[in-house]
Amino acid sequence: DGGITQSPKYLFRKEGQNVTLSCEQNLNHDAMYWYRQDPGQGLRLIYYSQIVNDFQKGDIAEGYSVSREKKESFPLTVTSAQKNPTAFYLCASSTIPASSYNEQFFGPGTRLTVL
Amino acid sequence: AQTVTQSQPEMSVQEAETVTLSCTYDTSESDYYLFWYKQPPSRQMILVIRQEAYKQQNATENRFSVNFQKAAKSFSLKISDSQLGDAAMYFCAYRIDSNYQLIWGAGTKLIIKP
Repeated sequence: DGGITQSPKYLFRKEGQNVTLSCEQNLNHDAMYWYRQDPGQGLRLIYYSQIVNDFQKGDIAEGYSVSREKKESFPLTVTSAQKNPTAFYLCASSTIPASSYNEQFFGPGTRLTVL
Repeated sequence: AQTVTQSQPEMSVQEAETVTLSCTYDTSESDYYLFWYKQPPSRQMILVIRQEAYKQQNATENRFSVNFQKAAKSFSLKISDSQLGDAAMYFCAYRIDSNYQLIWGAGTKLIIKP
């Protein structure tokens, strides 16, 4: 079945540690995205990538880093520079909009908690 | 700035009845796309319905339909014959034609009363 997988489902981090969240898709989508979700707020874009080896900052990129070495994979690293990393993280993918809708498909998310 | 506003943090409806969730947005663009996503307790984000701004006809998907008022910049979601499985957070989102980025509302929590 085609889809997006994220791992782990739950992640605990000590202050000062870097952690990496995994996102893999087998939908053959060119574009991939990372969002952060906090209670009472909409999703906020951290980074997105339209093509391998290229990515752009979103609205809240500070304290995060990404890589896109393969089309299927877009891991997110939460660095110690991120002051308040406890949140729910969602990965998404989409086609490059040759069609108009460019619907984004989402993974199941990772809940990150800083201890 | 492009913004999306969902003015109802929480709504409740009796099972089998109809409920409407509101969404307004602010943009100076003429070509854009609007989406409603559902996030159930599993937290998996699922697309419910979508609308292209240049289409005057309101989109429908089974029990879900929208009331798109372009001049008023309003995009409400109507759920008919509400079912227990409709209980979720509902998010309105907007994307302009030339950009990949979705702008999201804060969400409305929908409660279904049996």
